[in-house]
Amino acid sequence: GENVEQHPSTLSVQEGDSAVIKCTYSDSASNYFPWYKQELGKGPQLIIDIRSNVGEKKDQRIAVTLNKTAKHFSLHITETQPEDSAVYFCAARGSGGYQKVTFGTGTKLQVIP
Amino acid sequence: DAGVIQSPRHEVTEMGQEVTLRCKPISGHDYLFWYRQTMMRGLELLIYFNNNVPIDDSGMPEDRFSAKMPNASFSTLKIQPSEPRDSAVYFCASSTDRNYGYTFGSGTRLTVV
Repeated sequence: GENVEQHPSTLSVQEGDSAVIKCTYSDSASNYFPWYKQELGKGPQLIIDIRSNVGEKKDQRIAVTLNKTAKHFSLHITETQPEDSAVYFCAARGSGGYQKVTFGTGTKLQVIP
Repeated sequence: DAGVIQSPRHEVTEMGQEVTLRCKPISGHDYLFWYRQTMMRGLELLIYFNNNVPIDDSGMPEDRFSAKMPNASFSTLKIQPSEPRDSAVYFCASSTDRNYGYTFGSGTRLTVV
């Protein structure tokens, strides 16, 4: 099955700086890569996703890049704010007609004011 | 849209007791997922349904766990008998074929003492 590795496990940045979280996946047929943000006491929330036919996608301060050859994808947050502090999960969906995704182990991001 | 609704939010029970967790997916979503989240194992998929039919239950830890989806608007996850190692946060999520992103509920924090 799919295996997703995520790094780093914790990340501290100063407010206003950028944050980058990286993930690798094992199934070369994977075609959908979402990112979720989980705040304390809440369920994960989808913040951005990318499909395998696209190399980069942006949404305001958030961007995701995908390198299919290397089987890795990254989340970039620019101009970080304290409210960006949360746990971020990457995930990958394999091919085969199923909706199941495999999650990474999470990155705890702390933005220091 | 009230989102995915889970109940109860917190459950404390004694070892050996039966526990039932409940989920109401978003109307129109035809996929429903049950996840378990722990510090040690992260987000684990337990089971998922498509159009009320169980598709993949390979993540259900053992026969003590069972899940049902009697109709499109309701699902249950039952643990009988419960054990301390079942303590975790259990999330329900739903999605559609047209949009792969999941919408998670707020979770049920289960403590088995």
